[in-house]
Amino acid sequence: GQNIDQPTEMTATEGAIVQINCTYQTSGFNGLFWYQQHAGEAPTFLSYNVLDGLEEKGRFSSFLSRSKGYSYLLLKELQMKDSASYLCAVTNDYKLSFGAGTTVTVRA
Amino acid sequence: DGGITQSPKYLFRKEGQNVTLSCEQNLNHDAMYWYRQDPGQGLRLIYYSQIVNDFQKGDIAEGYSVSREKKESFPLTVTSAQKNPTAFYLCASSIDGDTQYFGPGTRLLVL
Repeated sequence: GQNIDQPTEMTATEGAIVQINCTYQTSGFNGLFWYQQHAGEAPTFLSYNVLDGLEEKGRFSSFLSRSKGYSYLLLKELQMKDSASYLCAVTNDYKLSFGAGTTVTVRA
Repeated sequence: DGGITQSPKYLFRKEGQNVTLSCEQNLNHDAMYWYRQDPGQGLRLIYYSQIVNDFQKGDIAEGYSVSREKKESFPLTVTSAQKNPTAFYLCASSIDGDTQYFGPGTRLLVL
C-alpha cells in the first residue's frame, strides 16, 4: 500500500521561511515530487528528488532521505503568491501516489 | 504552443447520463493519466496509459472508462455507474513515466 503524510495547513509571514515535511511508506520508490497547486488550478511541477540530499532551485529547495522515508520542501523569502497547496508525490513504476497536500497561507 | 488541454472547463451531468471529458496533448508524450481530486484529499489515479492502444486501471477505476486510440488523446468517460462523480478531474502526460505535466482540469457537477 501507499501511505504519504504531510501537514494539512501551515501559515507564515511574508518574507519568512516555511518547511513542509512529507513522510512516506510505499511499496516501491523511484523518486519524490513536489507540486504547487493554486486553488482551482492544475498542479505545477516544482522539484524531483531521486537521490538523498538537497536540491536547490531559486527560493525553493527540496530534501530527500530515502532511508528515513522523509522529504521536505523549503520555501524561502515567502511572497503572497506562494499561498497555495503543496503536494508531495512518490513515483513508482509509471505511477504517482499523492499526499493530501499542505495548504500554505502567507500573511502580510 | 506545446501543452495539455482539457475540455470543457465545467461539465454538468444528469442522473443516469454518461459524460466524456476530453484530454489532448501535443508534447509527444507516450504516457497519459487521469486523476480525480476531491476537497481535502490527494489526487487519486483513475486510469493510465503508457502507450497507444494500451491502458491500465488505477486505484479508483470503477465507474469510469477510457480509450487511447491516438497518442495525443486520452478521453475519460464517467459512466452512470459512478455514483459520486462530482470532483475536479485532472489529466496529465509524461515523456519518461516520471515527471507528469497537468492539464487545466475539468470540474464535473451533478444536476
